[in-house]
Amino acid sequence: RKEVEQDPGPFNVPEGATVAFNCTYSNSASQSFFWYRQDCRKEPKLLMSVYSSGNEDGRFTAQLNRASQYISLLIRDSKLSDSATYLCVVNGLLGGTSYGKLTFGQGTILTVHP
Amino acid sequence: NAGVTQTPKFRVLKTGQSMTLLCAQDMNHEYMYWYRQDPGMGLRLIHYSVGEGTTAKGEVPDGYNVSRLKKQNFLLGLESAAPSQTSVYFCASRSTGTGTYEQYFGPGTRLTVT
Repeated sequence: RKEVEQDPGPFNVPEGATVAFNCTYSNSASQSFFWYRQDCRKEPKLLMSVYSSGNEDGRFTAQLNRASQYISLLIRDSKLSDSATYLCVVNGLLGGTSYGKLTFGQGTILTVHP
Repeated sequence: NAGVTQTPKFRVLKTGQSMTLLCAQDMNHEYMYWYRQDPGMGLRLIHYSVGEGTTAKGEVPDGYNVSRLKKQNFLLGLESAAPSQTSVYFCASRSTGTGTYEQYFGPGTRLTVT
């Protein structure tokens, strides 16, 4: 089983749609959780961190369920500029200490069309 | 403020050739990482460094060596390139602040080994 699993998609949605991405992780000792965004042929960039209480940043809402080891990202009112690959990322231990090992899911491709 | 830079941006090697990829960061970060990204695989950690003069193996270290002689630079070496090392290589860095797990990525190096 992969440490972090995502539905690779692709998701094709019209502008204004709401779309949700899901992610599961296998290591129950994981400490921190993130969503990164990666545009085509570019580097990954942090979109938002994910907190147990859930958090929102504008049109984006992230949620974490530690019991189910499940992370989600909801995008409301999709824009053309939201088209990208969304990476579910989990921070775990590296070398027995928290040197910030990030484990990446393979990414979910989103295309927003007019 | 350039952030994280990588050179070269593109390179084509023949099997058995060697090369060095350079990563530089100007954010005074202690931790630096080298990843490779392959289709359907997500980003995988090759080597990492928690400070000047220290390096350690990640998930897929075979065929690569690294050095961190200066805090701001992290070099990735391929001694004898193989077609399986065709990939996009990303360097990343982060600070040591508690709970600050965000990693900042360079623009990537696209390497083809023929």
